[in-house]
Amino acid sequence: KQEVTQIPAALSVPEGENLVLNCSFTDSAIYNLQWFRQDPGKGLTSLLLIQSSQREQTSGRLNASLDKSSGRSTLYIAASQPGDSATYLCAVMAAGNKLTFGGGTRVLVKP
Amino acid sequence: DAGITQSPRHKVTETGTPVTLRCHQTENHRYMYWYRQDPGHGLRLIHYSYGVKDTDKGEVSDGYSVSRSKTEDFLLTLESATSSQTSVYFCAISELMQSSYNEQFFGPGTRLTVL
Repeated sequence: KQEVTQIPAALSVPEGENLVLNCSFTDSAIYNLQWFRQDPGKGLTSLLLIQSSQREQTSGRLNASLDKSSGRSTLYIAASQPGDSATYLCAVMAAGNKLTFGGGTRVLVKP
Repeated sequence: DAGITQSPRHKVTETGTPVTLRCHQTENHRYMYWYRQDPGHGLRLIHYSYGVKDTDKGEVSDGYSVSRSKTEDFLLTLESATSSQTSVYFCAISELMQSSYNEQFFGPGTRLTVL
């Protein structure tokens, strides 16, 4: 059974610092990996999707890498801002078009 | 934003009553999903659909049933609600394009409380 882990569960950084969020998964037979953002009381917003054949994906200040063989993905957020404060979730898709989610990392960016 | 709505957005009900949650999409996506989100358990898949009248169970399907009679609507029913089904329920959609599974897009959620 696929298991997805995100460590740390919570992270606090000063504004301007780069954020590094980690995601690990136990079964490397995945189709893709997706990073989401969730604000308190809200739904999930898709940030980046990395297909299993890709090594990284970029969107603005966000960059996500994928190392399928080691079962790891990292989300980098450059020059963090208070508006980046949220919970970040990673999820992997395996057979059956189903996502398995990690527990999330709660990020606080202090002004 | 993907065109996904969920109704109701909030509901309080009593143990033993039936409850139906609705997910409506305007994107004509083939795949639709129901998840629940609970502290300490994260997001878990309840049921999903890969086409009209085609559905399958997810990780936590006991006590839930689903129906999809139209592409745009996916209904989640709790036949007899229990307190353990108090949760936030999310609907999601996705499409399969060029042999690559596409992003899943999520609705705003329904907060259900079973007393």
